[in-house]
Amino acid sequence: GAVVSQHPSRVICKSGTSVKIECRSLDFQATTMFWYRQFPKQSLMLMATSNEGSKATYEQGVEKDKFLINHASLTLSTLTVTSAHPEDSSFYICSAIPGQGRNEQFFGPGTRLTVL
Amino acid sequence: LAKTTQPISMDSYEGQEVNITCSHNNIATNDYITWYQQFPSQGPRFIIQGYKTKVTNEVASLFIPADRKSSTLSLPRVSLSDTAVYYCLVGRSGGGADGLTFGKGTHLIIQP
Repeated sequence: GAVVSQHPSRVICKSGTSVKIECRSLDFQATTMFWYRQFPKQSLMLMATSNEGSKATYEQGVEKDKFLINHASLTLSTLTVTSAHPEDSSFYICSAIPGQGRNEQFFGPGTRLTVL
Repeated sequence: LAKTTQPISMDSYEGQEVNITCSHNNIATNDYITWYQQFPSQGPRFIIQGYKTKVTNEVASLFIPADRKSSTLSLPRVSLSDTAVYYCLVGRSGGGADGLTFGKGTHLIIQP
């Protein structure tokens, strides 16, 4: 159990376009989801915490107007990279915590974004 | 936030037991210790979580001394497929956002 999916798995876009990435908890409800970014050969960096029904909490240095997060239901959070540029190219990973006494994170498979 | 320190890399051979130690000197009273495994271009996978003493599951054991300032992930009889990056995280129970800071992790390389 505790499966998290992401869509798409990889996306290539032109500079200046917006890209939406979906994160779904398939067999549990998640009031909180997290978005990470990982550059090649580096560790995961927490970008924001997504809370169902409320505004996301962004980490210092992450532009909330550039990385729009919507957590509209207990099983879906979306990350939209607006006006993407080549420096936004990265591996984006979401995670969710089942709650109900369990606090380990379950991660999605990641989305590889390449901005040309 | 409790900062963690791990060796950058480790090498071992198939069939050996591998122990990876993580230091977390400023761990808080209600912090749990969680280990994740990550293969290239994949999301991290939960391995094991503990609070104190010893925890064992089907894939690993986690040893935590009484002062909880460190922890050791033990992988029995590793295989080539255990080559991955292993992360130690320290954070509160209940799913709060605290402690979700990934360190650099340990790149474990298993050789035949």
